[in-house]
Amino acid sequence: KQEVTQIPAALSVPEGENLVLNCSFTDSAIYNLQWFRQDPGKGLTSLLLIQSSQREQTSGRLNASLDKSSGRSTLYIAASQPGDSATYLCAVMDTGRRALTFGSGTRLQVQP
Amino acid sequence: GAGVSQTPSNKVTEKGKYVELRCDPISGHTALYWYRQSLGQGPEFLIYFQGTGAADDSGLPNDRFFAVRPEGSVSTLKIQRTERGDSAVYLCASSLKSTGELFFGEGSRLTVL
Repeated sequence: KQEVTQIPAALSVPEGENLVLNCSFTDSAIYNLQWFRQDPGKGLTSLLLIQSSQREQTSGRLNASLDKSSGRSTLYIAASQPGDSATYLCAVMDTGRRALTFGSGTRLQVQP
Repeated sequence: GAGVSQTPSNKVTEKGKYVELRCDPISGHTALYWYRQSLGQGPEFLIYFQGTGAADDSGLPNDRFFAVRPEGSVSTLKIQRTERGDSAVYLCASSLKSTGELFFGEGSRLTVL
């Protein structure tokens, strides 16, 4: 059974810092990995989707990498802003099923 | 609308009552998913539809939970004889294809008193 772990569970940084959020998964047989952002009381917003054949994806100040063989992904946020404060969730889709397995998220707070 | 729409946004009910939660996916998306999220946790998979059929319902916790998608578009999650432990946010997502990017709605917050 796929398990997804996100470290750290919470992170507080001053505005302007570059930061890295970590995600690890136990079964490397995946179709893709997706990073989401969730604001309090809201649904999930898709940030980046990495297919299993890809190594990384970039969108603006966000860069996500995937190392399938070691079961790891990182989300890099450059020049963090207070508006980046949210919970960031990592999820993987296994080759055996079409359901995403989520981690518990990293709660990020960027201090102005 | 452009995104996934879920109604109601909030539902308060009493233990033992029947509840229906509705999801209207993005137009043209053939894959539809239901997830459940408890406070401080990531979403947990409930059921996945490809078209009108439930392709994977392995996440439904018990037979009180049922979901339909009769015309391959709108889906309804039905919960019978609700229990306090059913309280959670129920999230719906849709995707253009089964292995593609998922887009989520804002969720339906269910509170069972």
